[in-house]
Amino acid sequence: ELKVEQNPLFLSMQEGKNYTIYCNYSTTSDRLYWYRQDPGKSLESLFVLLSNGAVKQEGRLMASLDTKARLSTLHITAAVHDLSATYFCAVDGNNNDMRFGAGTRLTVKP
Amino acid sequence: EPEVTQTPSHQVTQMGQEVILRCVPISNHLYFYWYRQILGQKVEFLVSFYNNEISEKSEIFDDQFSVERPDGSNFTLKIRSTKLEDSAMYFCASSDKGMNTEAFFGQGTRLTVV
Repeated sequence: ELKVEQNPLFLSMQEGKNYTIYCNYSTTSDRLYWYRQDPGKSLESLFVLLSNGAVKQEGRLMASLDTKARLSTLHITAAVHDLSATYFCAVDGNNNDMRFGAGTRLTVKP
Repeated sequence: EPEVTQTPSHQVTQMGQEVILRCVPISNHLYFYWYRQILGQKVEFLVSFYNNEISEKSEIFDDQFSVERPDGSNFTLKIRSTKLEDSAMYFCASSDKGMNTEAFFGQGTRLTVV
């Protein structure tokens, strides 16, 4: 069964600082996603990464994928309060079973 | 913009009763999913569905659960004989697995078993 691990689970940052969230997965996959969830809300798609070396950026967030290491990173640059949320990575398994990591609860403090 | 629609938004049911959670996926999508999230914790995979059959199900998806796509548009999750621990937010998602296409999630159904 596909396992997806994220770390850290909790992240408290000061505004303006940089940090990286890590996502490891256990079996080969050709598709990895990053989602954002605000409290009481649904999951909002941030990035889809499809190939080794893929890098995507949107505002202060940048995601990358290393399929050989089975590792994806979500890098936060110069954090602002609006980025406070829970971030999930998700990976497509071999049987259309998209599995999620445990999530990283990010709090950005002034 | 196309979206995944779930109904009801909140359902309260008595323990032991059956509930049906409904989802209308995006119309040209072929892959469908149900997930469960308890009190803002991790998003747990329940089942995936493709080509009118289950592709994969998790250990959570036991005989108490079933899914159907009864009419080509709706995608339902039935929970027979609900238990207190079934209380959670249930999310439906759909995807076409095209290039650069993510799975889109509905707004969820909050199920409360009393």
